[in-house]
Amino acid sequence: QKEVEQNSGPLSVPEGAIASLNCTYSDRGSQSFFWYRQYSGKSPELIMFIYSNGDKEDGRFTAQLNKASQYVSLLIRDSQPSDSATYLCAADRGSTLGRLYFGRGTQLTVWP
Amino acid sequence: DAGVIQSPRHEVTEMGQEVTLRCKPISGHDYLFWYRQTMMRGLELLIYFNNNVPIDDSGMPEDRFSAKMPNASFSTLKIQPSEPRDSAVYFCASSLRAGEKLFFGSGTQLSVL
Repeated sequence: QKEVEQNSGPLSVPEGAIASLNCTYSDRGSQSFFWYRQYSGKSPELIMFIYSNGDKEDGRFTAQLNKASQYVSLLIRDSQPSDSATYLCAADRGSTLGRLYFGRGTQLTVWP
Repeated sequence: DAGVIQSPRHEVTEMGQEVTLRCKPISGHDYLFWYRQTMMRGLELLIYFNNNVPIDDSGMPEDRFSAKMPNASFSTLKIQPSEPRDSAVYFCASSLRAGEKLFFGSGTQLSVL
């Protein structure tokens, strides 16, 4: 079992819709969770991080964490074509400070 | 700051040759990471350093791979001898502290023929 699992997609939504990206992790000791966005041919860039159970909002992005279910999600409201990218979920390894496990990513396409 | 700088951007080599990838982290960042990205396996951590000391190299595929960080501003990842299955994008990333935001370099696209 891979440490971080994501829906491989691809996910396609119309402009203005809500895009929902999901992720599960296997290490119950994980404390920190991250969402990175990667445009085709580019390097990943951080868009959200979350440490506590519940929701965290930043502009059009909301990260949700449920440690009991070992589940992390990212909601993108009012999706724009510029949001079209691959979204990578990452979790730290609770026993090894600094080590991050990445999911394989979900490809999102927002069509006008 | 110019961000994390990697070189070369592209490398094409023949099987059996030695390949050296280079990375300059952001000044002041204590952590440096080497990742490999492929379609099949996604983004995999190969090794990371804290204050120039290797902390976890359990992701290094085999003895053909080695990494060094001789000082706070420079790191190399070497593959010797290279094989076609090493073809991937290799990213270097740095962070200020453990568990914080990773800043990625532009990556090196490696093709081993």
